[in-house]
Amino acid sequence: DAGITQSPRHKVTETGTPVTLRCHQTENHRYMYWYRQDPGHGLRLIHYSYGVKDTDKGEVSDGYSVSRSKTEDFLLTLESATSSQTSVYFCAISEGMGAGYGYTFGSGTRLTVV
Amino acid sequence: DAKTTQPNSMESNEEEPVHLPCNHSTISGTDYIHWYRQLPSQGPEYVIHGLTSNVNNRMASLAIAEDRKSSTLILHRATLRDAAVYYCIRPSLLGTYKYIFGTGTRLKVLA
Repeated sequence: DAGITQSPRHKVTETGTPVTLRCHQTENHRYMYWYRQDPGHGLRLIHYSYGVKDTDKGEVSDGYSVSRSKTEDFLLTLESATSSQTSVYFCAISEGMGAGYGYTFGSGTRLTVV
Repeated sequence: DAKTTQPNSMESNEEEPVHLPCNHSTISGTDYIHWYRQLPSQGPEYVIHGLTSNVNNRMASLAIAEDRKSSTLILHRATLRDAAVYYCIRPSLLGTYKYIFGTGTRLKVLA
């Protein structure tokens, strides 16, 4: 596919533990995004990055933090996981942030918080 | 508001054309229309996008109304592999550009 991988693919964790999800790209795209997908809600933007060390909040950022120390990696951290954060998480990349640019999505990480 | 309106679900017979509608009545003159689809257990994948005129690619065609308040994604011959959730998205240049996904249209293709 387009050179975007997410890890892990599946994770089960306990409430209150920290969790970090990784998104890795080989496309050298400037923009990276984290979404979560829940039944009845479609995809919702958590955080996005417009360059190394440049990040901003999306629609549902509470309880999440992100970091981007190099172009190819965008990390999503749940500092203290809660059951409401059980979801499928998707990373996406785009070459630009204009309206004519499309997104490429990863295959997702299924996170279960018990 | 950058949201769009789509029917929750649609059905089509295999090898027949499918027309998936989308309403975006508050669209501005510089907003593109993007379509993505999500196959079961996969991430969304890009289908097509356009601004004013109709667009064609190997996957589909996009017909945009003259007033741009609605558009239609056309799959010319539906196959069972086209069964997916189709999202119509109107990324906005106002403020910070980002995609807002709705709940999309679930397309069921009947053999």
